[in-house]
Amino acid sequence: QVQLQQSGPELVKPGASVKISCKASGYAFSTSWMNWVKQRPGQGLEWIGRIYPGDGDIHYNGKFKGKATLTADNSSSTAYMQVSSLTSVDSAVYFCARNYDNIMDYWGQGTSVTVSS
Amino acid sequence: QIVLTQSPAIMSASPGEKVTMTCSASSSVSYIYWYQQKPGSSPRLLIYDTSNLASGVPVRFSGSGSGTSYSLTISRMEAEDAATYYCQQWSSYPPITFGGGTKLEIK
Repeated sequence: QVQLQQSGPELVKPGASVKISCKASGYAFSTSWMNWVKQRPGQGLEWIGRIYPGDGDIHYNGKFKGKATLTADNSSSTAYMQVSSLTSVDSAVYFCARNYDNIMDYWGQGTSVTVSS
Repeated sequence: QIVLTQSPAIMSASPGEKVTMTCSASSSVSYIYWYQQKPGSSPRLLIYDTSNLASGVPVRFSGSGSGTSYSLTISRMEAEDAATYYCQQWSSYPPITFGGGTKLEIK
């Protein structure tokens, strides 16, 4: 069965960077886009971007260009998202979600990032 | 980018009651997708391509609409349906956009 296992919660200082992982299993990792979605406390969902591990193609939401960097490692079936120059507005839960035929059908459990000094 | 506006923002329903919530797009979209999210959990796909039920979703859920106006209906409310519901589009991509959500509470 398809599973997306994300890395654990992060407490990071303002100005630092954080790298979140999403390990996929149960399907051919390189053949499906992987999305990343942000959810601030008590707020809605915001699409950050997506990566196609097969060829490294990446699409970003313009709002997150320069803030988030998406990568993928086919050898370990893991997608990564690095968020840089962290401020309080980056405190959120970040989800990875598999794309299958225009559908975000499987989601990771979410990774909480707290930015605090 | 296309803005999705969901209404109402909050609503409540009694068990057995019919529930309808709407999603309005700022420009015409081809399809809408609906997700259910419970507190502390990841979103769960309910409806894809406007009206198709995702695997494992109870048949009391249905979706309809076209152009700029879409809706999600629960034929008979159950306690487990209390959650926040989000619509999503990617007819105009990038970016993928989500609505602000409708929080559904049980009376």
